[in-house]
Amino acid sequence: DIQMTQSPSSLSASVGDRVTITCRASQSIRSYLNWYQQKPGKAPKLLIYAASSLQSGVPSRFSGSGSGTDFTLTISSLQPEDFAAYYCQQSYSSPYSFGQGTKLEIK
Amino acid sequence: QVQLVESGGALVRPGGSLRLSCVASGFTFRDYYMTWIRQAPGKGLEWVSYISNNGSTIYYADSVKGRFTISRDNAKNSLYLQMDSLRAEDTAVYYCAREVLSTLSWFDPWGQGTLVTVSS
Repeated sequence: DIQMTQSPSSLSASVGDRVTITCRASQSIRSYLNWYQQKPGKAPKLLIYAASSLQSGVPSRFSGSGSGTDFTLTISSLQPEDFAAYYCQQSYSSPYSFGQGTKLEIK
Repeated sequence: QVQLVESGGALVRPGGSLRLSCVASGFTFRDYYMTWIRQAPGKGLEWVSYISNNGSTIYYADSVKGRFTISRDNAKNSLYLQMDSLRAEDTAVYYCAREVLSTLSWFDPWGQGTLVTVSS
């Protein structure tokens, strides 16, 4: 099974900051990597698919990059509504595993 | 709009059974793979099971294999998860999600979730 490791597990930042979250796969997953945002009490929402493609309706301050084993999610200028949990997920092979999550909090 | 609505979550005793449902609307259900994903209280996301669009391909996480059964009724736009021999560690919010397949795949959208609590 493929293991997904995110870092950091939690992060404090301020409105306007640039933030980067990292996700590492235990083996190459090419570009089979997706990012989701989850706000408290809500279902996850797709942000980025195929490592770098922005889902329709998602603000352009979100971007994704990487391939193989190392991936990043970047928020260029944090907005108040971005404080949430973020998860990466690989769709290269079953079982489709998630990272453990990164909780983004207000500093 | 594309929507998924889960139901069937409840409090159940260890060893008991429960059947979750997910009703889809706003898209051609029979064209899509569907997935169940769960989230234990305060924890991360765990992929549970998927079923192909015609039901011919099914996969389970090791943690539920032999105890859970995924199925679908394309005529009713519905996805199901039969959960047997439930354990305390199955306590979670269960989400259904549509798997969008192209060259790669992703989950979009997700339902609002239904809470399953396994406790005596």
